[in-house]
Amino acid sequence: KNQVEQSPQSLIILEGKNCTLQCNYTVSPFSNLRWYKQDTGRGPVSLTIMTFSENTKSNGRYTATLDADTKQSSLHITASQLSDSASYICVVSDRGSTLGRLYFGRGTQLTVWP
Amino acid sequence: EADIYQTPRYLVIGTGKKITLECSQTMGHDKMYWYQQDPGMELHLIHYSYGVNSTEKGDLSSESTVSRIRTEHFPLTLESARPSHTSQYLCASSAGTSGERDTQYFGPGTRLTVL
Repeated sequence: KNQVEQSPQSLIILEGKNCTLQCNYTVSPFSNLRWYKQDTGRGPVSLTIMTFSENTKSNGRYTATLDADTKQSSLHITASQLSDSASYICVVSDRGSTLGRLYFGRGTQLTVWP
Repeated sequence: EADIYQTPRYLVIGTGKKITLECSQTMGHDKMYWYQQDPGMELHLIHYSYGVNSTEKGDLSSESTVSRIRTEHFPLTLESARPSHTSQYLCASSAGTSGERDTQYFGPGTRLTVL
């Protein structure tokens, strides 16, 4: 069964600290993996996209890694800011259908305290 | 900020009412999607469209219907709302279905409460 599991479910850190969010998936075949940021009451916004051949991709203070062999990805946030408080969603795409079906994780709720 | 809009942002209605959730995008995207999201849960695809006059049901069974008469407009209709329809509804669009073109741009969502 194709699944995307994220951990931790929630995380609280102090402003300025770093953190790492995890995503494990069983989706096959694999096309790409995205991390989205969803602010409360808003729609998700894409942060990064990685294909099978990419190991690391950065977007400002966000760095995503992908290990396609172990089917794991992480999102590292450096020098956290209050505006980083949001849900971070891991999304995996397969090549198995014309739609290029997306599998969504439940997200990690990050709270940054001053 | 993505050019995709949803109205209303919040809606509280009584059981049995007919409602239409509006979604429009100005990016010229052929692909559009409707998702349902409950708090702390993953997004579930309920409808999608590849272009004008093309609509398909998604993974999650839904009593709603959609139409795509114009490229930029993808409304969702509930003929008779029930409390079980209470949820957040997110509209999205993408330029394609592979690689970077599959990046979905989401609207702000409509929070629906059926009493």
